Amino acid sequence: DAGVIQSPRHEVTEMGQEVTLRCKPISGHDYLFWYRQTMMRGLELLIYFNNNVPIDDSGMPEDRFSAKMPNASFSTLKIQPSEPRDSAVYFCASSRRDSGKLFFGSGTQLSVL
Amino acid sequence: DAKTTQPNSMESNEEEPVHLPCNHSTISGTDYIHWYRQLPSQGPEYVIHGLTSNVNNRMASLAIAEDRKSSTLILHRATLRDAAVYYCILSSGGYQKVTFGIGTKLQVIP
Repeated sequence: DAGVIQSPRHEVTEMGQEVTLRCKPISGHDYLFWYRQTMMRGLELLIYFNNNVPIDDSGMPEDRFSAKMPNASFSTLKIQPSEPRDSAVYFCASSRRDSGKLFFGSGTQLSVL
Repeated sequence: DAKTTQPNSMESNEEEPVHLPCNHSTISGTDYIHWYRQLPSQGPEYVIHGLTSNVNNRMASLAIAEDRKSSTLILHRATLRDAAVYYCILSSGGYQKVTFGIGTKLQVIP
C-alpha cells in the first residue's frame, strides 16, 4: 500500500492567489481528515469526511477555505484567496472506521508571500 | 472535550529507556488513549493506543494509571531515530474535534 498521498509537497504562492491541495487516501479507508500544523497552534483538525460526505467543518478557519471529496479516492482543500497567515503545513489523513488509527500523508508545506 | 497535558520537551540518552508522561484528568469512560509521533518533516505516525489495560507492541509500551487520569508511553531503548514530537490524545472512537496540540519534543543524546 502506498499510504496517503498528498500533492504538491511544497507550494509557494502570492497573496490573493487560489491554492488547491490534493489528497489520495488509503484504499478502503472510509474517513478522511484535513489538518493544519503551525508552530503556534500545533496540529488542528480542519474538516473530516465519512464516506465522501463532509461531517464536521467547524475547524475550517473561514469562508476562504473549502474542501471537497468527489469520490473515495480523492479530496481537495482549496484556499481562495490565500493570505500570508495561511502559511502552514497541511496534512491529510485517512482511517478505517474500526481501526483506531490515523494514517497521515507527508503534508504540503504552503507559503503565501 | 477531554484535554491532555504533556511536558513541552524531554531528553534521553541513547539506548536508555524513556518514559513520556501524559495527564488526562478529565478523561471519560469511553475515551481511548492514543499516542502518535512525528518525525522531522513527516506526518504523524501511530504508535500505540489503549483503554484500561497496559499495552505492548513492537514500537513501545503504554502504561495506564488505574484511575486512567494519566498514562506513560515507554520506549524501552531509545535510538536516535526516536527523536520526534510525541502526541498523547484522547478519542472515543473517532477523531472528531481532536486537536493534537503541541506534544512533547524528545531529544535523544548519543
